[in-house]
Amino acid sequence: LAKTTQPISMDSYEGQEVNITCSHNNIATNDYITWYQQFPSQGPRFIIQGYKTKVTNEVASLFIPADRKSSTLSLPRVSLSDTAVYYCLVGDISNDYKLSFGAGTTVTVRA
Amino acid sequence: DTGVSQNPRHKITKRGQNVTFRCDPISEHNRLYWYRQTLGQGPEFLTYFQNEAQLEKSRLLSDRFSAERPKGSFSTLEIQRTEQGDSAMYLCASSRPRGGEGGLEKLFFGSGTQLSVL
Repeated sequence: LAKTTQPISMDSYEGQEVNITCSHNNIATNDYITWYQQFPSQGPRFIIQGYKTKVTNEVASLFIPADRKSSTLSLPRVSLSDTAVYYCLVGDISNDYKLSFGAGTTVTVRA
Repeated sequence: DTGVSQNPRHKITKRGQNVTFRCDPISEHNRLYWYRQTLGQGPEFLTYFQNEAQLEKSRLLSDRFSAERPKGSFSTLEIQRTEQGDSAMYLCASSRPRGGEGGLEKLFFGSGTQLSVL
């Protein structure tokens, strides 16, 4: 399982774009990158997943450079309700049943 | 889709007592997972089932812990002779059979059972 490193915390203001970068230097060829969001007293919720280049959905965008050694989750125009912990996970389909969540990045959005 | 349901939401028990938690996954999901989360940390994998078969157990799952998934539907996690170190949030997740789209399984989590061992 690839080891990931992400900032412990980030602060932002409503309406701003938040970018969280995750480092995964030892990512393997078959690995995918997945991000989850967790609010207090709730289980994590899947946000987005990608393998290379850029993926966008209604919630976020995921940017993955060509070397795939890092990835950036982009949250456009955040609101107070985006205050949460965000986890970056890397793995392949042979071991995705036991992915490691790490400590995640606590994003705090202020008014 | 009613989501993953976990009961109880909170459990307070005395050290040495046994506790049991229940998880009802999303109905068409064949995989079910148990995770444990302590304050300030991300969820840690404990075990998972594919249908009724328990296919993997983490080293975190000591012999005081046992999980079952009879008939491949709901699951229970029992902790015997609880210790204060067992205090944590116990999360259940489920996922549906992998389709042709590739990528990692998308996990759907419940809201967890918060266990406090006094």
